[in-house]
Order: sequence, then structure tokens, then C-alpha cells
Amino acid sequence: SQTIHQWPATLVQPVGSPLSLECTVEGTSNPNLYWYRQAAGRGLQLLFYSVGIGQISSEVPQNLSASRPQDRQFILSSKKLLLSDSGFYLCAWNRVFTETQYFGPGTRLLVL
Amino acid sequence: KNEVEQSPQNLTAQEGEFITINCSYSVGISALHWLQQHPGGGIVSLFMLSSGKKKHGRLIATINIQEKHSSLHITASHPRDSAVYICAVRSGNTGNQFYFGTGTSLTVIP
Repeated sequence: SQTIHQWPATLVQPVGSPLSLECTVEGTSNPNLYWYRQAAGRGLQLLFYSVGIGQISSEVPQNLSASRPQDRQFILSSKKLLLSDSGFYLCAWNRVFTETQYFGPGTRLLVL
Repeated sequence: KNEVEQSPQNLTAQEGEFITINCSYSVGISALHWLQQHPGGGIVSLFMLSSGKKKHGRLIATINIQEKHSSLHITASHPRDSAVYICAVRSGNTGNQFYFGTGTSLTVIP
């Protein structure tokens, strides 16, 4: 069976500090991978998606970047966090040519 | 105006009631998703629709492509159905553009 992991579960960081959130998927190969953010009181927003190693597409301009160094690993990063980066970050995957996405448990990020 | 609008924003129901959550969208789509987000934040995909109707247990989802509208129904609601229900659409254009509703917060009272 397939599982998706995210860590850390919760993170409190000062403004201006770097960020690295990791997402890994097990039990499947060549998944499409996604990073979403859910700001407090707002809906989900797609940040990045990847169809393969080293292939990253960004949906919105922002202070964040993503990388996919391995087939089942997706990393969300920032060099300098802003207060507005606070939110709930979700990683998701789906099989190529299918629609249903499977979400990870999420990371709650609070930037102070 | 958001590309995806959900109603109601908040819904409180007595256990056993029939519940309907509505979703309207303004863009051409290739698929519509209903997601369930539990209080801890975890999200589960309930349905993916491109036409017609799907049923899973007590949950039913319908979509009317011409009217750009979808509904999620819960029959015989139960307190464990309490969650935020999110409507999401994948744009029918090329690329991977998703649009999300802000969610409907459902509370089912025993």
C-alpha cells in the first residue's frame, strides 16, 4: 500500500530564518507530487507540483521554492521566512493520468 | 470573485439529518473533487467527478457540467461526519491549475 509522510508536524520559526519541509511517498513510483498551503481562515492554494525528478512548476509567485531530488521526495524551502508564510502545508500525490490525490498529514508552520 | 464558491460556509445539523453542500464554479474544468478535512487538518479525497453522480456509503456527489454546479449529500448524518468539506476543480485548460473553495464547516450534533 502507498503512504505519504510529512515532517515536521509542527514548526515555529522566527521571521528571516530558513525553512525546509520534507515529504516522502512510499509504495509507488513516479508519482505526481504537490505542495499546498492553507492559510488560517482561507482555502487551499496550490504552490508547486512536480511530474518528475527535478521538474517543478510553480503556480504562484512567492517566497518559497520546491525541489524534487528523488522520485518520491518533495521538499519545500525558503531562504528567509516571512510572517505571511505561516499556515498549514500539505503535500499530496497522485498516480500519473489519474485524478484522485492522496494527502499527507500536513505541517503547521508558525512564523513569529 | 472566487473561481469556486461553496455554500453554506457553516452548517449545523442534528444526527440523522440529510445534508447538502453546494459548489459552483466559473471556469471550464476537467474534474471536480470533494475533499474532507478533519479537525486535526488531515485531508481525505472523497470523490472525483467529471460527470454524473457517484455514491460511496452515505455520501453522494453530483455534478451538472452545463450549470457548473456540484452538490455533496450526506444521508443519515452522524457526528463523525463533522469536518470541513472542500470543493476543488482542476481547470480544463492545459497545465495543472487547481481552484479551491473555502470549505463548508459541518457540525453534526448527537
